Amino acid sequence: DAMVIQNPRYQVTQFGKPVTLSCSQTLNHNVMYWYQQKSSQAPKLLFHYYDKDFNNEADTPDNFQSRRPNTSFCFLDIRSPGLGDAAMYLCATSRDIARGQETQYFGPGTRLLVL
Amino acid sequence: AQTVTQSQPEMSVQEAETVTLSCTYDTSESDYYLFWYKQPPSRQMILVIRQEAYKQQNATENRFSVNFQKAAKSFSLKISDSQLGDAAMYFCAYTEGAGGTSYGKLTFGQGTILTVHP
Repeated sequence: DAMVIQNPRYQVTQFGKPVTLSCSQTLNHNVMYWYQQKSSQAPKLLFHYYDKDFNNEADTPDNFQSRRPNTSFCFLDIRSPGLGDAAMYLCATSRDIARGQETQYFGPGTRLLVL
Repeated sequence: AQTVTQSQPEMSVQEAETVTLSCTYDTSESDYYLFWYKQPPSRQMILVIRQEAYKQQNATENRFSVNFQKAAKSFSLKISDSQLGDAAMYFCAYTEGAGGTSYGKLTFGQGTILTVHP
């Protein structure tokens, strides 16, 4: 089945130690999104890629970076995680930004714990 | 800026009964899309139903249906014949149509936790 896959499902890191979360998709969607979701809150968009074009949200901290080496893969890099970065990180994809293609499909998420 | 409001932090329903979750939104756009997503505890966010603003007909997906009132900017979700597996956090979400400055971005409501009692 076509899907959005996130690895790892759980990640523990130390304060200040860089960490990378990965997302892959078999849907062949050209738009990929990264969200941060804290407990019992709505997801917050960090950034998205439209093909190779990177679009950062204005309030996303510089500590968060992203890479998209190809259509299928997208990475979230947290350069120096702080305790406040502990959260669920969700990857989502959509086929295109065009009429009828707006639905975003989510991966299972990676829960990040910062010690 | 667009906003989405879910005024019910928590709702509960008996198995096999019907429940309605409320959502209101604010936008000056005429072309947009509305969604209900379901997120079970520690599980994946799943699309429940999708509504295009330009369609007058309310969307339905099996036991799930919406009451879309465009003039009132209301988008409620009705779950019929509730099942234990329906227990989850439900998010209402909005995105602009093509040409909007925020096109492709989802604006979420705060979520409603639905409990289903056997």
